[in-house]
Amino acid sequence: ETGVTQTPRHLVMGMTNKKSLKCEQHLGHNAMYWYKQSAKKPLELMFVYNFKEQTENNSVPSRFSPECPNSSHLFLHLHTLQPEDSALYLCASSQGTSGSTDTQYFGPGTRLTVL
Amino acid sequence: AQTVTQSQPEMSVQEAETVTLSCTYDTSENNYYLFWYKQPPSRQMILVIRQEAYKQQNATENRFSVNFQKAAKSFSLKISDSQLGDTAMYFCAFKPPGGSQGNLIFGKGTKLSVKP
Repeated sequence: ETGVTQTPRHLVMGMTNKKSLKCEQHLGHNAMYWYKQSAKKPLELMFVYNFKEQTENNSVPSRFSPECPNSSHLFLHLHTLQPEDSALYLCASSQGTSGSTDTQYFGPGTRLTVL
Repeated sequence: AQTVTQSQPEMSVQEAETVTLSCTYDTSENNYYLFWYKQPPSRQMILVIRQEAYKQQNATENRFSVNFQKAAKSFSLKISDSQLGDTAMYFCAFKPPGGSQGNLIFGKGTKLSVKP
């Protein structure tokens, strides 16, 4: 356990559904991240939040909508997804985003399948 | 643009033996951070070891050590006395210096199998 939890662990949804992924960190960190992990590809950074403010949107399609109500919680709202969006979605957190505080700790991920 | 290359998609090692996973990166920065992460099958990704580029001494964590060659932009991971629990995907990651927005750049990973 790294102190970062994600729910649900598995999700199957149709292309017209709306669902949300949840991430919670119990480490007192200020920065949180969403990554997409697809087979045979490097992890892709999607979004970065630092002190609840979005500081990075890595050209992610608008069908993915992040929300960070506080430094401990991060959501990823999904709507009208495509089959190619099927992947493992990882959440991570770090104390900060620079220098010695930047080591990221990962959650277990949500395995998403879009039918 | 910074890139991270792991040239070994898969490796295997006998239990109790030593194995080295390679990682090279490309950057024009002088100060940065390097990481090795481990992702066991269906389990959480965890940090194995971290190296600051300004430190000449190679980082060590128990059976895990790195060979950091800054001039060659190489950051290999050595696992000594391999154990069955070391079976996992191993990812090398690079982070630009402070001031950037925490963007870790990952390699594609090396799948390590430890055989009994």
